[in-house]
Amino acid sequence: SSELTQDPAVSVALGQTVRITCQGDSLRSYYASWYQQKPGQAPVLVIYGKNNRPSGIPDRFSGSSSGNTASLTITGAQAEDEADYYCNSRDSSGNHLKVFGGGTKLTVL
Amino acid sequence: QLQLQESGPGLVKPSETLSLTCTVSGGSISSSSYYWGWIRQPPGKGLEWIGSIYYSGSTYYNPSLKSRVTISVDTSKNQFSLKLSSVTAADTAVYYCASDDYYDSDNCAFDIWGQGTMVTVSS
Repeated sequence: SSELTQDPAVSVALGQTVRITCQGDSLRSYYASWYQQKPGQAPVLVIYGKNNRPSGIPDRFSGSSSGNTASLTITGAQAEDEADYYCNSRDSSGNHLKVFGGGTKLTVL
Repeated sequence: QLQLQESGPGLVKPSETLSLTCTVSGGSISSSSYYWGWIRQPPGKGLEWIGSIYYSGSTYYNPSLKSRVTISVDTSKNQFSLKLSSVTAADTAVYYCASDDYYDSDNCAFDIWGQGTMVTVSS
């Protein structure tokens, strides 16, 4: 199975832009999806596909991909964006196996 | 509005089998565009995909857990279930069920999650 690698922690000043990245071989074939998880809560899907936001997700969240790297960008980070962020995709094997990245703790300063 | 709810024992003894059920409401588990998945999260750690099932019964498991995992579906009850055998303390985690939406022919995302249920493995 393949792996997805994320930086363990990232920080951003309030109102600034931050990019959270996810690397893995499977991302050459499949899109990443991104999840936000706040303490004590279930993860919430924030980005999927090329750059799609589920209903209710603010447009300051966006996604992109290049080669084996997917990125989640928050433009104008808010205090409520402080959370853990996980990427996820199908495994590079071509089967319906799934894999999660290790997660990135985002701190908004 | 699709909703998922996990249920099952919160405490399981070592070497026994963990059993959880996810009840789907607000939609049909027989939807052709959805798989149904289980994901877990040990305390203070990241998310781990356990496996997914299609309404027809096709299953896909995490290779690291495959020998101990069984996921099944009951379309008449709009439920799917997880069994994890021979549990140890390392299986202590919050277990989530989620809808695994194939929004195109190749790509998918876990779009709706249950609230999660904490399962502790201890004697």
